[in-house]
Amino acid sequence: NAGVTQTPKFQVLKTGQSMTLQCAQDMNHNSMYWYRQDPGMGLRLIYYSASEGTTDKGEVPNGYNVSRLNKREFSLRLESAAPSQTSVYFCASSELWTGENNSPLHFGNGTRLTVT
Amino acid sequence: AQTVTQSQPEMSVQEAETVTLSCTYDTSESDYYLFWYKQPPSRQMILVIRQEAYKQQNATENRFSVNFQKAAKSFSLKISDSQLGDAAMYFCAYRSAKGGTSYGKLTFGQGTILTVHP
Repeated sequence: NAGVTQTPKFQVLKTGQSMTLQCAQDMNHNSMYWYRQDPGMGLRLIYYSASEGTTDKGEVPNGYNVSRLNKREFSLRLESAAPSQTSVYFCASSELWTGENNSPLHFGNGTRLTVT
Repeated sequence: AQTVTQSQPEMSVQEAETVTLSCTYDTSESDYYLFWYKQPPSRQMILVIRQEAYKQQNATENRFSVNFQKAAKSFSLKISDSQLGDAAMYFCAYRSAKGGTSYGKLTFGQGTILTVHP
């Protein structure tokens, strides 16, 4: 059971380059999330998708776009990478949130992105 | 908006001893969920324990237990009989129990690095 799979694991970009981080889950979860992790700041939410066909901004969306391709896949795109986007990026998924079901978030293993 | 604060950037403990990691949060809501996640050097995020705010009983999972003080908005993690494999970054996280716009997203603290000495 793969869970949440992210690709690539590592990436180095030059300022101004673009790239897409891929995420897929095989748990039939409705909700998916993209977080970034920076030292001393914990994980901060970039974008999320409550269910297939919907996406919404999180805490730090500037410089990013997302696509919920289907129920399984949720991609994060950097159109013009900047050094401030150097970070570790995590994708996560969970069952559809109703407020009553405390199903946890399941995380991928992260992508370490460096922008020079 | 909710905030989560972990005031201890680093903690250390001797193997087999007990250590407590602190977490406080700020919210105006009465229903919510709290979590502790562990992140070893592999970067994997592992759920350690979770607590529902409406439950008065503190959650326990083997050697891990929490001290949930709702009025004080405090949620500390106690690790008993510490093992070398417990060494990791630990994150406290908050989740609103509201449906709708919260959509189940987690708000994280800054993290605490735990070192276990043999």
